[in-house]
Amino acid sequence: SQKIEQNSEALNIQEGKTATLTCNYTNYSPAYLQWYRQDPGRGPVFLLLIRENEKEKRKERLKVTFDTTLKQSLFHITASQPADSATYLCAPRSTGFQKLVFGTGTRLLVSP
Amino acid sequence: NAGVTQTPKFQVLKTGQSMTLQCAQDMNHEYMSWYRQDPGMGLRLIHYSVGAGITDQGEVPNGYNVSRSTTEDFPLRLLSAAPSQTSVYFCASSYSRQPYYEQYFGPGTRLTVT
Repeated sequence: SQKIEQNSEALNIQEGKTATLTCNYTNYSPAYLQWYRQDPGRGPVFLLLIRENEKEKRKERLKVTFDTTLKQSLFHITASQPADSATYLCAPRSTGFQKLVFGTGTRLLVSP
Repeated sequence: NAGVTQTPKFQVLKTGQSMTLQCAQDMNHEYMSWYRQDPGMGLRLIHYSVGAGITDQGEVPNGYNVSRSTTEDFPLRLLSAAPSQTSVYFCASSYSRQPYYEQYFGPGTRLTVT
């Protein structure tokens, strides 16, 4: 069955450092991969989408990579700030219509 | 646009009671879905719909019913509430069934079943 794995343990980093979060998937051949941010008590908010033919995608301080050979996506936040503290979810998606399934998410804590 | 709205925000039910969680969107989205989120389990898909009159099951559909009579509304019905249904429920929608369209989530409904 399809499986999406994200680090269940929280990632603690200091302000100004780069945070790197991992999303691994199995039994999938996604053509796209989405990343979302979720703050406590709120619904997830879309951040970035990367296509299988895009090795890397950037948006301001965010960078996402997509390695279809390793079946992995990495999500980077450079010059991290305490306001970046949240849970980050990945969602691989195949071509054609399929129901959207999320990873369990990784909680990021950025300390001043 | 109000986006995706959910009501109620909080609800306490007794075991065996039934209720409907409401979800509405004003963006003319075709695709709508319901998730539940439990600690350590992430978001789990309950039911989804690709358009009015069309619904399908997700990962954890047991104990829940849905219908989609209009594009805007996608209510989730709990037939006979159980303590295992204590969770936070999120409704989401997107412009199209295409996988590259982002999902818009509602603020959630926190449900407690005693």
